Amino acid sequence: AQSVTQLDSHVSVSEGTPVLLRCNYSSSYSPSLFWYVQHPNKGLQLLLKYTSAATLVKGINGFEAEFKKSETSFHLTKPSAHMSDAAEYFCVVSDRGGYTGGFKTIFGAGTRLFVKA
Amino acid sequence: ETGVTQSPTHLIKTRGQQVTLRCSSQSGHNTVSWYQQALGQGPQFIFQYYREEENGRGNFPPRFSGLQFPNYSSELNVNALELDDSALYLCASSLAGTSGRTGANVLTFGAGSRLTVL
Repeated sequence: AQSVTQLDSHVSVSEGTPVLLRCNYSSSYSPSLFWYVQHPNKGLQLLLKYTSAATLVKGINGFEAEFKKSETSFHLTKPSAHMSDAAEYFCVVSDRGGYTGGFKTIFGAGTRLFVKA
Repeated sequence: ETGVTQSPTHLIKTRGQQVTLRCSSQSGHNTVSWYQQALGQGPQFIFQYYREEENGRGNFPPRFSGLQFPNYSSELNVNALELDDSALYLCASSLAGTSGRTGANVLTFGAGSRLTVL
């Protein structure tokens, strides 16, 4: 069975300081992992994805995430926060789940990132 | 390349009524997933359609049903609406590979249909 746990419901950082959003996952199959961002009143946008290539994945807007199989984690980081990063971030796991076609994709509960000036 | 479009964008219904939400997939995509996002929460997986058949379902009652058409567009139907059905309903399309892990299911989301049940 799949599951995704985002360890913090809210994270607050000052502009220019590092960002760390934590995510643990569970999957019975070799999963793909994603981070999506949702700005207020806007659609979900893909930040980055891990699909079994390099374990350190670089995404848009300076974000990156490291897949650690031994820890079943996929934490999202950014060296320096910007005011425009304030949004809701979702960790997502996707695997075949035993289906005959397609994948099943589930979302974590989300982490709201606040960026202080 | 067109993205995912959903209609209507907003609608208001009363308890007990029925609603149909529509989704046009991104060109070239063959899989459609529907999600319910209640206010302040993450999207919850409702179900997924692949080759016009339901191919996975989350913890939603049978009054949530769907269809996928030969052109890969989709409908979400909800019968006997309840107040708790008020939410943003998101449609996402993707391309399911026929073998291996290629095209690992990057979802392209529509902007959603905001349903309010009074």
